[in-house]
Amino acid sequence: DAGITQSPRHKVTETGTPVTLRCHQTENHRYMYWYRQDPGHGLRLIHYSYGVKDTDKGEVSDGYSVSRSKTEDFLLTLESATSSQTSVYFCAIRDDQNYEQYFGPGTRLTVT
Amino acid sequence: AQSVSQHNHHVILSEAASLELGCNYSYGGTVNLFWYVQYPGQHLQLLLKYFSGDPLVKGIKGFEAEFIKSKFSFNLRKPSVQWSDTAEYFCAVKGWEGGADGLTFGKGTHLIIQP
Repeated sequence: DAGITQSPRHKVTETGTPVTLRCHQTENHRYMYWYRQDPGHGLRLIHYSYGVKDTDKGEVSDGYSVSRSKTEDFLLTLESATSSQTSVYFCAIRDDQNYEQYFGPGTRLTVT
Repeated sequence: AQSVSQHNHHVILSEAASLELGCNYSYGGTVNLFWYVQYPGQHLQLLLKYFSGDPLVKGIKGFEAEFIKSKFSFNLRKPSVQWSDTAEYFCAVKGWEGGADGLTFGKGTHLIIQP
């Protein structure tokens, strides 16, 4: 258990509404990541953070923004949700001593 | 851009059978390689990893993987599977020369073990 929680765990929202997902860690790791998991695609990196207020884009960043104002929290925002953003979202942290990544329990988001 | 290919999308085996799941990656530089497992309804868990040294690495639950640099492969093996190994398995790579931080994942292999 890497001390990662995600909230909410499940959410249903309508197209066009803003949505924010939260990832919280308790172990003070510098690196945090957001991935989405879709059938037939595996996991794909959305955004990542390498410190407070330091973030960068991943492979599928269009339509998403992130913020990290505290070490322990990494927020993923969908400014205007679309049906193509229906997915399971996983947060991960990276061990600072090596490149092992540990994943949170996931958030299942449905956009209707 | 780096990519990861898992050749078998669905595998069905009987208990006690041997398992080998293929993974190939496309990246010419230094890599770290990983296998993750996702049991139904759960998050990803690290099975094993390769950073350097002995190309045969052992992980949890009796799994092992062999890194063959010349073939850009990192195949997962288990000599005798159990019903509890039913899960989705993901190969992932981290390349160290350019690109975004984060892992690149294969599309996954859904393994079903029949009792």
